[in-house]
Parts: sequence; C-alpha cells; structure tokens
Amino acid sequence: KAGVTQTPRYLIKTRGQQVTLSCSPISGHRSVSWYQQTPGQGLQFLFEYFSETQRNKGNFPGRFSGRQFSNSRSEMNVSTLELGDSALYLCASSSNRGVSYNEQFFGPGTRLTVL
Amino acid sequence: AQSVSQHNHHVILSEAASLELGCNYSYGGTVNLFWYVQYPGQHLQLLLKYFSGDPLVKGIKGFEAEFIKSKFSFNLRKPSVQWSDTAEYFCAVIPRGTNAGKSTFGDGTTLTVKP
Repeated sequence: KAGVTQTPRYLIKTRGQQVTLSCSPISGHRSVSWYQQTPGQGLQFLFEYFSETQRNKGNFPGRFSGRQFSNSRSEMNVSTLELGDSALYLCASSSNRGVSYNEQFFGPGTRLTVL
Repeated sequence: AQSVSQHNHHVILSEAASLELGCNYSYGGTVNLFWYVQYPGQHLQLLLKYFSGDPLVKGIKGFEAEFIKSKFSFNLRKPSVQWSDTAEYFCAVIPRGTNAGKSTFGDGTTLTVKP
C-alpha cells in the first residue's frame, strides 16, 4: 500500500506571496491532519479534515486554511506569507476505523522557505 | 486539553549504551500513546504504540516503552543503542475515543549516538 505523499517537497517563496501544499493520504484513509514542524516549536497541529469537513483546528491565524476533496486528498493554503512561516509542513493520515483508528501515518513533508 | 513533556532535549550516547527517553503527559482520562522517530532526512515513522493491555510494549528496532499510569509516563527504552539510532524522537498522546486531530506531540528529543 502506498504511503502518504506530499507535493511539492520543497518550495521557496517571498514574503506576501501565497502557497498551496498538497497531500494524498493512504488509500482508504479518510482523516488528514496537517502539522507545522520547526526546530524550536516541535510539531504544531494546524487542522484535521475528515470526509471533506474540518473537524479540529489548532491555534494558527486565519492565513492558514485547508480543504479536503471527495477522494480524501487535502490541500493546505497559506496566504500573505511571513518569514516565520518557514517550516516543514507535515501531513498525516489515519483510517478512523478499527483498533488503531487514530494512529497517524506521516508523509515526507514539504519544506517551505520564505525569503 | 492534554500536554506532553519530553524532559531531554538532546541526548548524546556512545554505541552499546542503554537509552531511556522520558515522556510525561497531563490528561485526566484514558489515552493512546505513541512514540515516533524521525531519522535525518526522513519522515516521521511509528516506533511503537500503546492502546490497552500489557503496559510494556515492544516496537521496531529493539525499542520498547512502558506505560505507567500512576506516573502519567510512557518512557522509551533500548538496552543497547547503535549509531543508526541517531534521530529525533517524539512522544504523542491522544485521548482515547477521539480522533487523530486531538493529538498532542512533545517537543522532541534529539539522540546522537557516537560510534
């Protein structure tokens, strides 16, 4: 079974621009979560989508948004980029079924650099 | 809301030394517990998990962890580390019965194993 895939793997943007990141979960997984990983902050939860609905949200400003499509693929958008948005953005999927319903499987991440 | 504390930010060991990484959480109810590992340049992958049953769980690559409910701890152990264990380790907690979006991660512990 293919793992979680994220595209692109690397992005360089300038302040004020916007960016869209994409995540394809493991086949059959309907839950997709997004995290921001930085050296000083660890993994910070952004939001979780399930069946095209956002069902959990972290403490990030409204510049960070996301959506999920009917095939469970998810996108994350960051508008008006700031230098502090430079980070590794991780996507994780979970099956939401069975004993390990909330076990998460992570993708390789998208490394975003804001100049 | 729950919180997770990993006491050691950076641990340096020589090969064959024993390893114990601390993880404590605060949450009043029942939880599912996870340890993830991130090798240099690779994505987060699951080391082991505890959902219920035997509080001593064994994971991949010789790692194990013990859930001590009275201490709210889930410490990771390995009797003899190898150079290839150099990585960052994350502890995560999810309240039982909730979805993946309710995960909380610790700040991570960087393990450096000297050959």
